[in-house]
Amino acid sequence: DAKTTQPPSMDCAEGRAANLPCNHSTISGNEYVYWYRQIHSQGPQYIIHGLKNNETNEMASLIITEDRKSSTLILPHATLRDTAVYYCIVAVNSGYSTLTFGKGTMLLVSP
Amino acid sequence: DVKVTQSSRYLVKRTGEKVFLECVQDMDHENMFWYRQDPGLGLRLIYFSYDVKMKEKGDIPEGYSVSREKKERFSLILESASTNQTSMYLCATVGQPDTGELFFGEGSRLTVL
Repeated sequence: DAKTTQPPSMDCAEGRAANLPCNHSTISGNEYVYWYRQIHSQGPQYIIHGLKNNETNEMASLIITEDRKSSTLILPHATLRDTAVYYCIVAVNSGYSTLTFGKGTMLLVSP
Repeated sequence: DVKVTQSSRYLVKRTGEKVFLECVQDMDHENMFWYRQDPGLGLRLIYFSYDVKMKEKGDIPEGYSVSREKKERFSLILESASTNQTSMYLCATVGQPDTGELFFGEGSRLTVL
């Protein structure tokens, strides 16, 4: 059973904010929300993760709703190099990081 | 920066051949993972290892084995390759304490004819 639901694809204009949604309505209290992305022909790259609070780093911001049933990854100023498949994952931080990747969202950033 | 190096980017093998995929990491991480990636199926965990000579089955271990003789090296072995093992194979590692941040290699694309 899929733990997360993401739209299969999204478009964004270069320089604009890209807001990628993720539904995880069955998330457990001890499960984190992780975001990764995969640029074509490369291995996945970690972006950000969070438990309850919103998080921000140099790559992106993560907004988690108060009920934790959904989240949004925000790329504040998308560039062409942000074109990639973005994966939202929920998992317990068990010490072994057996993260299960779903199908993700293909984000296309256009000039 | 953590570097995860996979020995071959592209391999072509014949059915029944034994295949070794090697992965080396340079950050003294304990936990290492092998995934395969197929269109429409995402990444699926094959095996992982949390210490030298230790291994655990992931979600799809059938047809594969692994070897972890040294901390920095984690090998995936296909004893007798089959066409349904044609895939992209990705190695990953994570440091301790585990933050959930996996570091991936660039992948090995295996074609079995």
